[in-house]
Amino acid sequence: GNSVTQMEGPVTLSEEAFLTINCTYTATGYPSLFWYVQYPGEGLQLLLKATKADDKGSNKGFEATYRKETTSFHLEKGSVQVSDSAVYFCALLDPLRDYKLSFGAGTTVTVRA
Amino acid sequence: GAVVSQHPSWVICKSGTSVKIECRSLDFQATTMFWYRQFPKQSLMLMATSNEGSKATYEQGVEKDKFLINHASLTLSTLTVTSAHPEDSSFYICSARARSTGNTIYFGEGSWLTVV
Repeated sequence: GNSVTQMEGPVTLSEEAFLTINCTYTATGYPSLFWYVQYPGEGLQLLLKATKADDKGSNKGFEATYRKETTSFHLEKGSVQVSDSAVYFCALLDPLRDYKLSFGAGTTVTVRA
Repeated sequence: GAVVSQHPSWVICKSGTSVKIECRSLDFQATTMFWYRQFPKQSLMLMATSNEGSKATYEQGVEKDKFLINHASLTLSTLTVTSAHPEDSSFYICSARARSTGNTIYFGEGSWLTVV
């Protein structure tokens, strides 16, 4: 079946530091990959996505590249801000499985001023 | 991007009563809606998938009679927690998929349920 393995947190960084959150997946088909962000007490917001191999998703300074050869979709940001403090979820969507999302466990990121 | 709205954001109910949570797609027609439950500091657990006009498909271990899901129109799905108990207290999140957005799923803001 499909699954997503995400780097465990929590991750604590200083402002302007480089952030990487590792995400790897297993899938039987050709999934789409997503990163969602959840701020305290809120629902999930789509951060970025990639629908096929070698696609790069980017938004708000965050980037992730769909690597089929390593089955990875690592999230990166070159210079984090305090406002980036949140929980980040890597997710996989397989259209052959009723469009259900498979989520990673989530990584809590805290950025200190 | 597409907007999914949940209501209420917060609800407190007494043990034994039922509570309904609404999930609306505001600017698109949602062919499929999903309901999740999230415990503190954990990932989302898919409860059920609902397609407009048909019965919801529940995940293993989710009680159909306790968590009633209705998807009466292309913009509205409801989750009713029946005979609520304190252990049902949780954060419930819906999401929706539209044909027009392809494979992208959009999430509501979530609803906090506290059963006292």
